[in-house]
Amino acid sequence: GENVEQHPSTLSVQEGDSAVIKCTYSDSASNYFPWYKQELGKGPQLIIDIRSNVGEKKDQRIAVTLNKTAKHFSLHITETQPEDSAVYFCAATPPGGTSYGKLTFGQGTILTVHP
Amino acid sequence: EPEVTQTPSHQVTQMGQEVILRCVPISNHLYFYWYRQILGQKVEFLVSFYNNEISEKSEIFDDQFSVERPDGSNFTLKIRSTKLEDSAMYFCASSATPGVRAFVEKLFFGSGTQLSVL
Repeated sequence: GENVEQHPSTLSVQEGDSAVIKCTYSDSASNYFPWYKQELGKGPQLIIDIRSNVGEKKDQRIAVTLNKTAKHFSLHITETQPEDSAVYFCAATPPGGTSYGKLTFGQGTILTVHP
Repeated sequence: EPEVTQTPSHQVTQMGQEVILRCVPISNHLYFYWYRQILGQKVEFLVSFYNNEISEKSEIFDDQFSVERPDGSNFTLKIRSTKLEDSAMYFCASSATPGVRAFVEKLFFGSGTQLSVL
């Protein structure tokens, strides 16, 4: 089955700096890659996603890049703010059929943004 | 903004007891899921549910687990005889509004139920 590895496990940056979190996946058939943000006491919240037919997607300060050949994808947060502090999870999912919504998650990255 | 609601937020039970975790998915969603996260480990898929039946389940989802959508709003996970290793945060999620099948993979998660088996 699919395996997703995420690095780093913790990331500490100064406010205004950029943060990059990287993930690799094992199943070349995976075609959808969401990123989730989890704040204390809350469930994972989808912040951005990318499909395998796209190499890059951007939403304001957040961007995701995908390299299908190398089977890795990354989350980029620019101009970080203290409210970006949270646990970030990457995930991958195979094409549909009965596997809709069957996400394989990475280990998570604890991002701390210092004022 | 619509959200997935889970109750209770914390549940403590004795080993061997049955527990039911409850979820109210987003009202017009069609797909429902349970995930769990054991402390310090990855979030793991348990089961997906669509059209009143299980679509897919993981190896974790053995005979002691069951899911049900007893009415038009609730989605439950039952663990028949809890074990110590069932202690985890259990997340419910839902996705896909009718006619927007392209977004079926966009899961919306609840805040979770922390289950502690003693």
